[in-house]
Amino acid sequence: EVQLVQSGAEVKKPGATVKISCKVSGYTFIDYYIYWVQQAPGKGLEWMGLVHPEDGETVYAEKFQGRVTITADTSPDTTYMELSSLRSEDTAVYYCALTTTRNWFDPWGQGTLVTVSS
Amino acid sequence: EVVMTQSPATLSVSPGERATLSCRASQSVSRNLAWYQQMPGQAPRLLIYDASTRATGIPARFSGSGSGTEFTLTISSLQSEDFAIYYCQQYNNWPPHTFGQGTKLEIK
Repeated sequence: EVQLVQSGAEVKKPGATVKISCKVSGYTFIDYYIYWVQQAPGKGLEWMGLVHPEDGETVYAEKFQGRVTITADTSPDTTYMELSSLRSEDTAVYYCALTTTRNWFDPWGQGTLVTVSS
Repeated sequence: EVVMTQSPATLSVSPGERATLSCRASQSVSRNLAWYQQMPGQAPRLLIYDASTRATGIPARFSGSGSGTEFTLTISSLQSEDFAIYYCQQYNNWPPHTFGQGTKLEIK
């Protein structure tokens, strides 16, 4: 069974940078993509970007371009999402999700809550 | 950017009844649409992809239909565990992948 396990909750001050990890287990192939999605409290889902661990390809949503960096380490099958210049509006749960098709997302990690507060 | 609009925002249905959720795209997305279920405090779960194909392990009471700009998720006989928020997502024109704002399915 494929599982994505994310790092724990973070509390950051405005202007700081947060880095969240997402470890993939139970998947024997390296040809997959990891997507990152933001969900603000009580709000919907917003796609942030993707990484292709096999070759390091990244694609970012325009909204987050310049502030987000997504990287991958194929050993030990972990991807990272770094968001800089944090502001209160970045308080959200951040999810990673796997896709082999670059289309739908399945499965998802458990989510990581990032709280930005002075 | 393709804007996805879901209706209604909240749907109240009794257990055992049928629920019909709608998703509209601002331009044609062919059949490149997925549906997700999100329980409180949990990550979304894939239900349907390619507009009508159930994901692995999804019960047959969940069905999807539509193409172009109009899509429907139908839950034929609601069970207690089906009360959740449902999101549609298009993957025809990206970046960015875009989601609807969600429909909350609540117990009547």
